[in-house]
Amino acid sequence: AQSVTQPDIHITVSEGASLELRCNYSYGATPYLFWYVQSPGQGLQLLLKYFSGDTLVQGIKGFEAEFKRSQSSFNLRKPSVHWSDAAEYFCAVGAVNTDKLIFGTGTRLQVFP
Amino acid sequence: GAVVSQHPSRVICKSGTSVKIECRSLDFQATTMFWYRQFPKQSLMLMATSNEGSKATYEQGVEKDKFLINHASLTLSTLTVTSAHPEDSSFYICSASNPTLSTDTQYFGPGTRLTVL
Repeated sequence: AQSVTQPDIHITVSEGASLELRCNYSYGATPYLFWYVQSPGQGLQLLLKYFSGDTLVQGIKGFEAEFKRSQSSFNLRKPSVHWSDAAEYFCAVGAVNTDKLIFGTGTRLQVFP
Repeated sequence: GAVVSQHPSRVICKSGTSVKIECRSLDFQATTMFWYRQFPKQSLMLMATSNEGSKATYEQGVEKDKFLINHASLTLSTLTVTSAHPEDSSFYICSASNPTLSTDTQYFGPGTRLTVL
């Protein structure tokens, strides 16, 4: 069965520090992979997505993610975190030729000044 | 571009009443719309998928008679929670997609917080 695991429920970093949010997926075929960010009380904003090609994907707000098939991972990174990055981050996997997304449980990012 | 709105943003209702939530794609035509439910500090759970002019496809365990979904136009889908009970209290989020806009990408609304007293 398809599933997405985000091992870290809550991460705290200092402003300016680097960030890596982990995501592992389980899917039998080639997945489409997404990272979304959710600010409190709001909907989800797409940060980046991977469909094929270059395994290092650049997104908005300075985020990037790397697809590693051998590790079934799609970790999100940012070299220098800003206070405005504090939010909930969701990794999701979508199946080719279907519209459905399966979300991980999310990682809450807290940023200290 | 690709903006999705939801109305209302918050609603409080009495147990036994019905509540309608609207989801609109403001600047694109949504061939498919999705409805999710999110419990506090949990992930999004897909409730149903709807295509314009067709009946919605519900996920296993979701009561279609309780959560009525209508996708009458390419820019509007509605979710009606019928005979709401306190356990229906949740954050409901819709999303919309159009393959010609962006392949396999969903654009999310801001969500609706439903509280059933």
